[in-house]
Amino acid sequence: AQSVTQPDIHITVSEGASLELRCNYSYGATPYLFWYVQSPGQGLQLLLKYFSGDTLVQGIKGFEAEFKRSQSSFNLRKPSVHWSDAAEYFCAVGSPANTGKLIFGQGTTLQVKP
Amino acid sequence: EAGVTQFPSHSVIEKGQTVTLRCDPISGHDNLYWYRRVMGKEIKFLLHFVKESKQDESGMPNNRFLAERTGGTYSTLKVQPAELEDSGVYFCASSQDHTFWGNTGELFFGEGSRLTVL
Repeated sequence: AQSVTQPDIHITVSEGASLELRCNYSYGATPYLFWYVQSPGQGLQLLLKYFSGDTLVQGIKGFEAEFKRSQSSFNLRKPSVHWSDAAEYFCAVGSPANTGKLIFGQGTTLQVKP
Repeated sequence: EAGVTQFPSHSVIEKGQTVTLRCDPISGHDNLYWYRRVMGKEIKFLLHFVKESKQDESGMPNNRFLAERTGGTYSTLKVQPAELEDSGVYFCASSQDHTFWGNTGELFFGEGSRLTVL
């Protein structure tokens, strides 16, 4: 069965520092991978997605993620974090049924120190 | 363009009572999904509508949950009778695509309805 693991429940970084959020997936075929963010009082917003092609994917708000098949990972990165990036981040994999069903990780809460 | 709208934003009820959550998808989106996040756990799929038809309801926890989408527009999710373990945040999402991962592959989520069962 497909599953997604986000090993870090909570991460704190200083403003301006770099960020990497980890995501590992278990999947039997070519995965469809997503990162969503939920800011306080907001819905889930799609940051970026990987379907195929270039394994380094650029997203909104200066985020990028790299798909590494050998490590079953899809880590999210940002070179310089802003205070407004404080939010909860979710990694997800799309089910192979091709219907829009997503399997989510547990989420990582990012706190940004001034 | 309005996004996905959910109502109420927060509901507090006692065990055994009934609650109905509503979701208004983005206009023109045939696909509508319900997801749930129980405290401290991952967001889990509940079910998927295509227009008014239930495409996949494999995630519905038990028969205390009833989802409807009459007319293929807004959807309701009723919990009757509510139990303590039903507490959590219920998310609704919608999308336009029918063959999903080959197209834009984006679900648009609402802010969620927080349900607290006492």
